[in-house]
Amino acid sequence: NAGVTQTPKFRVLKTGQSMTLLCAQDMNHEYMYWYRQDPGMGLRLIHYSVGEGTTAKGEVPDGYNVSRLKKQNFLLGLESAAPSQTSVYFCASSDPTISYEQYFGPGTRLTVT
Amino acid sequence: KNQVEQSPQSLIILEGKNCTLQCNYTVSPFSNLRWYKQDTGRGPVSLTIMTFSENTKSNGRYTATLDADTKQSSLHITASQLSDSASYICVVAAGNNRKLIWGLGTSLAVNP
Repeated sequence: NAGVTQTPKFRVLKTGQSMTLLCAQDMNHEYMYWYRQDPGMGLRLIHYSVGEGTTAKGEVPDGYNVSRLKKQNFLLGLESAAPSQTSVYFCASSDPTISYEQYFGPGTRLTVT
Repeated sequence: KNQVEQSPQSLIILEGKNCTLQCNYTVSPFSNLRWYKQDTGRGPVSLTIMTFSENTKSNGRYTATLDADTKQSSLHITASQLSDSASYICVVAAGNNRKLIWGLGTSLAVNP
């Protein structure tokens, strides 16, 4: 099992450009999450999904959109990148019927100039 | 306001020594408390998860304690190894378990 994978690992964008971060999990988990991690702050939840075809806003959803067309994939989109979106982005998945544990991907380091 | 505070902010110990990291929280309603280990450049990895009724839980050389009355938790690392160098993050889940309150972490460096 690869667990949770994220693509790409690194990316540099110019202000106003768009991009999509891909998260994939092979554990058949229902729940998936997108977080961002910034220096001096705890992880913050951007959006999450409790199943295929569903999405919901987290703490800091502005400037981001998500889609969960397939159970194993969760996409995070930035339509018009801003320097404030420079961060490390983590995807996670969980199966709440088994445990509370969330499994994290390796992260995507995004820099917006 | 829901908060999780960790101390110390950073810690340096010698290989083979023990150490204890602290976590104080003000989260309501409490669901569970988790400790994660995050290596530099990697995603967090779960070490322990404790519910209200559990006051001690071990995972190898890691032992977490929870005092729900005083709203404190600790993570004790026994016989530290160089690979223990990482950030240790305390996370408290509130209510329906979808709202996680993350601490800022304790950065641990284990030196030879």
